[in-house]
Amino acid sequence: AQSVTQPDIHITVSEGASLELRCNYSYGATPYLFWYVQSPGQGLQLLLKYFSGDTLVQGIKGFEAEFKRSQSSFNLRKPSVHWSDAAEYFCAVGVNSGYSTLTFGKGTMLLVSP
Amino acid sequence: SQTIHQWPATLVQPVGSPLSLECTVEGTSNPNLYWYRQAAGRGLQLLFYSVGIGQISSEVPQNLSASRPQDRQFILSSKKLLLSDSGFYLCAWRTGGETQYFGPGTRLLVL
Repeated sequence: AQSVTQPDIHITVSEGASLELRCNYSYGATPYLFWYVQSPGQGLQLLLKYFSGDTLVQGIKGFEAEFKRSQSSFNLRKPSVHWSDAAEYFCAVGVNSGYSTLTFGKGTMLLVSP
Repeated sequence: SQTIHQWPATLVQPVGSPLSLECTVEGTSNPNLYWYRQAAGRGLQLLFYSVGIGQISSEVPQNLSASRPQDRQFILSSKKLLLSDSGFYLCAWRTGGETQYFGPGTRLLVL
């Protein structure tokens, strides 16, 4: 069965600084990979996704992520963080089983300091 | 465009009472539908998914159940709530591609 690890529970970044959130997955074949963001009390919003092709994917709000098969990683990056980016970020792996269930990591809470 | 609704937004219920949470999707046909629960520090746990009317698959055995009486309606129920049922319940839909899109969620507090 697939699994996702987000090793950082909390990360604090200064506004304007760069950001990298880590995600490692476990799955025997090439997975579908996703990053979602959740503001307090809200649902999840899709930031970006990787299915195949170019391993560097661009998403909304200036985020990007890079799929590295050799490291089983799909890290999320942003060159300059804004205060509005403070939220919880979830990495997820999907399997093309016909039902397309997703397995989520436990999330990383991003705090942005002034 | 597609939209997904969940209600109620917030619910406070006593232990042992019944539960009914509703999720509806607009602007699409024959979606796959999913119920997740989010507990603090534990990420999202898939509870149920449905590929069509009356078709429910359960991922986690518990005192919750799900039903899909119409194509774009997904209901999460319980006959008797437990304290451990407290959490944030999210509904999601998917058609065609692999991406799931989430509703705004229902926060349930069982006292």
